[in-house]
Amino acid sequence: DAGVTQSPTHLIKTRGQQVTLRCSPKSGHDTVSWYQQALGQGPQFIFQYYEEEERQRGNFPDRFSGHQFPNYSSELNVNALLLGDSALYLCASSLGVKPSIFGQGTRLTVV
Amino acid sequence: QKEVEQDPGPLSVPEGAIVSLNCTYSNSAFQYFMWYRQYSRKGPELLMYTYSSGNKEDGRFTAQVDKSSKYISLFIRDSQPSDSATYLCAMSAAIGRFGAGTRLTVKP
Repeated sequence: DAGVTQSPTHLIKTRGQQVTLRCSPKSGHDTVSWYQQALGQGPQFIFQYYEEEERQRGNFPDRFSGHQFPNYSSELNVNALLLGDSALYLCASSLGVKPSIFGQGTRLTVV
Repeated sequence: QKEVEQDPGPLSVPEGAIVSLNCTYSNSAFQYFMWYRQYSRKGPELLMYTYSSGNKEDGRFTAQVDKSSKYISLFIRDSQPSDSATYLCAMSAAIGRFGAGTRLTVKP
């Protein structure tokens, strides 16, 4: 079992650009959550998807959007990138409300 | 007040020491209490979790939850240099809320 897989692993973008990050959940998991982790901080919840719907959303602007596909995989989109969006973006999957398993993350650098 | 408070350390101990890591929280709705280990530039790895109050032991690791005090702990016995990492506490009522992480170094 490959666990949670994320792509790409690293990404460099310019301010104002748009980015799409991808996640495949662990086999058997139906819920995908996205987190942003700044250096030296704990992960901050962005949003959670279940049955292709956004179930809950954290305190992030509308520039952050997402999608879940019928096969449970998910995308995180960020528009109009700011320097402050530079962080490790983590995808986590779970079965319902049980604790999540994380992927290795996508390190986004905005220059 | 943050939902989850965790002392960021850093914490440095000699090999073989008992390590105690702690978090407090404010939301009574939390049902799952988790500890994750994160190595530098990697995703967090789920170490262990507890549902509701009580203790749970897994090898050298013991997790304790005291819901009356809103306090959780992770104990590491016979600590090893390979335990050097950042330890994140997290609580969940469907959504995981994380502490800032405690950076632990175990010196040989």
